[in-house]
Parts: sequence; structure tokens; C-alpha cells
Amino acid sequence: AQSVAQPEDQVNVAEGNPLTVKCTYSVSGNPYLFWYVQYPNRGLQFLLKYITGDNLVKGSYGFEAEFNKSQTSFHLKKPSALVSDSALYFCAVRDGTGTASKLTFGTGTRLQVTL
Amino acid sequence: GAVVSQHPSWVICKSGTSVKIECRSLDFQATTMFWYRQFPKQSLMLMATSNEGSKATYEQGVEKDKFLINHASLTLSTLTVTSAHPEDSSFYICSLAPGLEGYFSYNEQFFGPGTRLTVL
Repeated sequence: AQSVAQPEDQVNVAEGNPLTVKCTYSVSGNPYLFWYVQYPNRGLQFLLKYITGDNLVKGSYGFEAEFNKSQTSFHLKKPSALVSDSALYFCAVRDGTGTASKLTFGTGTRLQVTL
Repeated sequence: GAVVSQHPSWVICKSGTSVKIECRSLDFQATTMFWYRQFPKQSLMLMATSNEGSKATYEQGVEKDKFLINHASLTLSTLTVTSAHPEDSSFYICSLAPGLEGYFSYNEQFFGPGTRLTVL
């Protein structure tokens, strides 16, 4: 069975500082990894994904994530946080082996960026 | 990315009534749609996968007779919560995987804004 762990319920960071939201995964086949952001009472918005290739993936709004196979991690990063980045962030994994399988989400990490 | 709408955005109903939630793909033809349920401060739990023109596939533990899913066209899927009870109160989110060519594992999914259901 596949799973995703987001060890931090909340991450607090000052505006202008770098941010990291952690994610580790477990999947039996090839990991396809995704980050989504959710604003209050809204659906999820796609940020970025790792399928294959370069371990550093760049996505929307200046976010990037680094795939680390040996540590089974896919941490989300941004060099300089904005107050508007405050939201709920979900990491998700899908087993890329064979036919399409379901997307499994982590429990989410709330990012709070303050002035 | 694809634009997905849901209607209504929120609904309050009495226990025992049925509620229908619509999910529309506004700019993509979606052969596959997903319905999720999200409890406060929790992750999204997949309820079922619906494929256009065929019966939905429900996840283990989800009652298919209670949560009726209809995916009659490439742009519309509906979820009907039948005989709703307070424990069905939740945030329901639909998601689609675009592409007539079929759904592939590497495709990102696009999500609707969600429907908050409160059953009194």
C-alpha cells in the first residue's frame, strides 16, 4: 500500500525567509509525486509534480520541490515566503507502475507566513 | 489547467433528505472523475472513481447505495447523498483527469472548489 507522511501540522515562517514543507512517501513501484495547495473553503490547486528526470522540480508561484529517492522524500521549498503563501499544503503520491492508480494524500501542512 | 466547478458550494439539509452535488468540467472533456471527502483538519479521502458511461468504482467502506454517482457526460458528474444523516456532514470535492485518450498515472488531477454539506 502506498502512503504519504507530512510530519508537521503547521510551519511558521517570516515573510522573506525561505520555507520548507516536508513530505516523505512509501510506494512499491515508481513514485509519481505531487504538491497541491488549498486555500480556505476552496478546492486544491496543483503546484508541481515529479514524474521522472531532474530531481529538482519547479512549479507555480515560485515553489520548487526536490525528489530524493534514497530518503524517499519530496520536500516543498520556496526561497522567499510571502504572506499570500499562507495556506494548507498537501503532498500526494501515486504508484507509476502499470495502469493508473489512485492518488494518496498526506494529512496536510498548514503554512503560516507572517510579516 | 482545467477549470472545474461544483454546485452548490454549500448546502444545509434536514436529516433523511437527499442532496445532489454537481461537478462540471468547463474546458476539458473528462473521461474520469473522482469524488473525495474531507473532514476538518484531515486529508482527502477518495470515495469513488467515475468513468463516463459506466458504473462508478467505490472505495472500500463507501456505501454505493448511499452515495450515488452518475457520470452521464464528459463534462458532468453528480454525487447524490441519499437519506443524509449528520455524520455525512463534510466537505465534498470532485476532481477530474482530463483527456479523451484516457487517464494516465502521470497526469495531475484538477479539483473543484468543494461543496460543504451540513446535515441537521
